[in-house]
Amino acid sequence: EAQVTQNPRYLITVTGKKLTVTCSQNMNHEYMSWYRQDPGLGLRQIYYSMNVEVTDKGDVPEGYKVSRKEKRNFPLILESPSPNQTSLYFCASSSGGGPSSRYNEQFFGPGTRLTVL
Amino acid sequence: GQNIDQPTEMTATEGAIVQINCTYQTSGFNGLFWYQQHAGEAPTFLSYNVLDGLEEKGRFSSFLSRSKGYSYLLLKELQMKDSASYLCAASQNRDDKIIFGKGTRLHILP
Repeated sequence: EAQVTQNPRYLITVTGKKLTVTCSQNMNHEYMSWYRQDPGLGLRQIYYSMNVEVTDKGDVPEGYKVSRKEKRNFPLILESPSPNQTSLYFCASSSGGGPSSRYNEQFFGPGTRLTVL
Repeated sequence: GQNIDQPTEMTATEGAIVQINCTYQTSGFNGLFWYQQHAGEAPTFLSYNVLDGLEEKGRFSSFLSRSKGYSYLLLKELQMKDSASYLCAASQNRDDKIIFGKGTRLHILP
């Protein structure tokens, strides 16, 4: 089954304790992205990646890191989490053709609800 | 700057038609997404418009006017399961940076 998976789905942690949220897709997509979703603010892009070893900052990259060592995986790293990073996080990947193609469809993972105390 | 605006909430009646508007101001515009998101779930893709005009997919249609920075999502024959948030998002630049609006929460009344 074609899908984007994220782990963990739920996480409660404390300030300053490094954590990684994994994201994996089995559709051979080149484009992957991380978002956070907060009430009243909508979805905001954190980082995105057009391909292996290529990553770019989105609108809210501060406090996050990513890596893209292989096409299927795009982990999100919080080196020193803080309470303002409490949010719902979504990973997404895109199918064929790129941003100018009418077939530019993003598939979202199920989400990771993170609470930083 | 860059900005995407859509109404915060809308209400419509089961069986009716509703149009959700979205206006955008972005540099390097590529195309316009519409997503549906039910409460507590991930967004699901509805459409991506690159060219001007209307694209129809069953009960849902999406329209884009690049010159006006305007799009709308048209939902016909509304069903209760269409109660959800509808997210408008723009793709920017060659690297496909995505900017989302804050979403429109659609309430369907029986």
